[in-house]
Amino acid sequence: HVQLVQSGAEVKQPGASVRVSCKASGYNFSTYVIHWVRQAPGESLEWMGWINTGRGAGKNSQKFQDRVSITRDTSASTVVLELSSLISKDTAVYYCARNGVGENERPFNYYMDVWGTGTTVTVTS
Amino acid sequence: SYELTQPPSVSVSPGQTATITCSGDELPRKYAYWYQQKSGQAPVLVIYDDIKRPSGISERLSGSTSGTVASLTISRAQVEDEGVYYCYSTDYTGNHRGVFGGGTELTVL
Repeated sequence: HVQLVQSGAEVKQPGASVRVSCKASGYNFSTYVIHWVRQAPGESLEWMGWINTGRGAGKNSQKFQDRVSITRDTSASTVVLELSSLISKDTAVYYCARNGVGENERPFNYYMDVWGTGTTVTVTS
Repeated sequence: SYELTQPPSVSVSPGQTATITCSGDELPRKYAYWYQQKSGQAPVLVIYDDIKRPSGISERLSGSTSGTVASLTISRAQVEDEGVYYCYSTDYTGNHRGVFGGGTELTVL
């Protein structure tokens, strides 16, 4: 069955960068977009960006435009989120999520279906 | 930037019907999606493409849309329906950037 397993919790200092990985299994990795969503403590969900795992291109939220990088390693069926210049407000649970439809399906729409295990990132001095 | 607006909270008595709304200027042109999140858990998709229900989701949950407002209706509400419900859609730029509403906490009591 479809699974998205994320890397473990991270504690970072302000100004540092963090990498969170998301390993997919149970389906053809290169045919589904992967999204990243975060949730600060007690706050709403916040969409960060998506990557087309086949082509390697994607779109990020304009809020994170300069600080977020989303990449994929097709040989490892893994997507990596990197967030730089961390501040305390980046403390959150970070989720990867598979798109609801595959790239070859029609109609194609961007939304999240299967969610990852979540990774807690704490930014503290 | 594009925003989706939800009421912060909705209360309903067991067995009654609750409706959660989501307002956004692009909803006449973009699909709405609904997620349920329980404390400490990842969100779960409950409605997609405005009105469709994924397999395994209760038939008591239904989606609808009218103009700039998408709605999630929970019929015959049960305690198990409690949680925070988020609407989601994509923006108007054609870049398919996502946006969530602020979430609505549903209480069944």
